[in-house]
Amino acid sequence: IAGITQAPTSQILAAGRRMTLRCTQDMRHNAMYWYRQDLGLGLRLIHYSNTAGTTGKGEVPDGYSVSRANTDDFPLTLASAVPSQTSVYFCASSRTSGATDTQYFGPGTRLTVL
Amino acid sequence: QKEVEQNSGPLSVPEGAIASLNCTYSDRGSQSFFWYRQYSGKSPELIMSIYSNGDKEDGRFTAQLNKASQYVSLLIRDSQPSDSATYLCAVNLMGNQFYFGTGTSLTVIP
Repeated sequence: IAGITQAPTSQILAAGRRMTLRCTQDMRHNAMYWYRQDLGLGLRLIHYSNTAGTTGKGEVPDGYSVSRANTDDFPLTLASAVPSQTSVYFCASSRTSGATDTQYFGPGTRLTVL
Repeated sequence: QKEVEQNSGPLSVPEGAIASLNCTYSDRGSQSFFWYRQYSGKSPELIMSIYSNGDKEDGRFTAQLNKASQYVSLLIRDSQPSDSATYLCAVNLMGNQFYFGTGTSLTVIP
């Protein structure tokens, strides 16, 4: 693989269920990010990780959790999904968390919560 | 006030024309600026980044930054139908404070 992979590609989930979205990168990037993209609202940062072992909250963190056990993986968990979490979720990574570093995006996961 | 503002469009230009996309940002501390292209159903892909005032050219694309006016633009010369997409402006305030505009939809008419 080259770049960022996300799984699943799409998912329909019943409200109240737990769901983990997976993200793996092979670029040895230190920083990783989770965004959601909603029509009219654009991309909004959910959580980020500057380096393995550290995480931080973005603009819309409520209802989501993340972990960063190693450099390559950055899973996003919805503990109890709600319909308002229906969205397209993008994982991204950058070489560092520096201000000039470019973020590269995975292909996305389309999640529908019913 | 949103951190990054873009005109949502749609913007339509004929093939071969210049497409001009504009973006304003609210925080004067913003350090770096990016333009991403996003095709329908796909993920954003980087077109250009710019960090200092002035113009930066890459092929048919020119990014322009004016920090005094808090304004960044993207010009696409010789527009092609394959340029039809949504263009996202992004501003990096400081490391993890990365804000995106809602995007401008561009259609290039053959």
